[in-house]
Amino acid sequence: GDSVTQMEGPVTLSEEAFLTINCTYTATGYPSLFWYVQYPGEGLQLLLKATKADDKGSNKGFEATYRKETTSFHLEKGSVQVSDSAVYFCALRKAGNMLTFGGGTRLMVKP
Amino acid sequence: GAVVSQHPSRVICKSGTSVKIECRSLDFQATTMFWYRQFPKKSLMLMATSNEGSKATYEQGVEKDKFLINHASLTLSTLTVTSAHPEDSSFYICSASRPMGTGVQGTEAFFGQGTRLTVV
Repeated sequence: GDSVTQMEGPVTLSEEAFLTINCTYTATGYPSLFWYVQYPGEGLQLLLKATKADDKGSNKGFEATYRKETTSFHLEKGSVQVSDSAVYFCALRKAGNMLTFGGGTRLMVKP
Repeated sequence: GAVVSQHPSRVICKSGTSVKIECRSLDFQATTMFWYRQFPKKSLMLMATSNEGSKATYEQGVEKDKFLINHASLTLSTLTVTSAHPEDSSFYICSASRPMGTGVQGTEAFFGQGTRLTVV
């Protein structure tokens, strides 16, 4: 079946450091790919998405490129802030609207 | 943007009692809603797909009689944890998909705020 694998956390960075959270997927067909963010005590919020190969999703300084050849959708940000501290989930979706999530990566940004 | 409201955000109940969690789509109609459970430091696991006007579809390993799902209208789905036990303590999140265009690529999932259930 479909699956999403992302790097385990926690990832601890200093403010203004470069962030990469790796995400790879296994799926048949052509899924859409997503990154969701969960701030402490809150539900998930869509951060960015890409619906086809080579698409780049971007939002709030975060970027991820849909790489079909490597089945990856790595999340990057050039300069993280303390307010970016959260749990980040990579996910894929195919027909039926059901999302398959990765295990989540906790990011902690220190001042 | 579209909003999905989940209530309550936190609930503490005694072992053996039942708890109902509501999930509402506030500004769109959702024929399908999803219920997820998040274990500590782990990912979200899909529990069931709630279909308006019909029975929910449960994932393997999820007890239908324990986690009752009712999707009585296009804007409301409820999850009732029956005879709750401490092992049911978890973070439950609902989501609803809103059409944003055509086909599956044209929908976006919106999530409720989640419900922290603690069974004592």
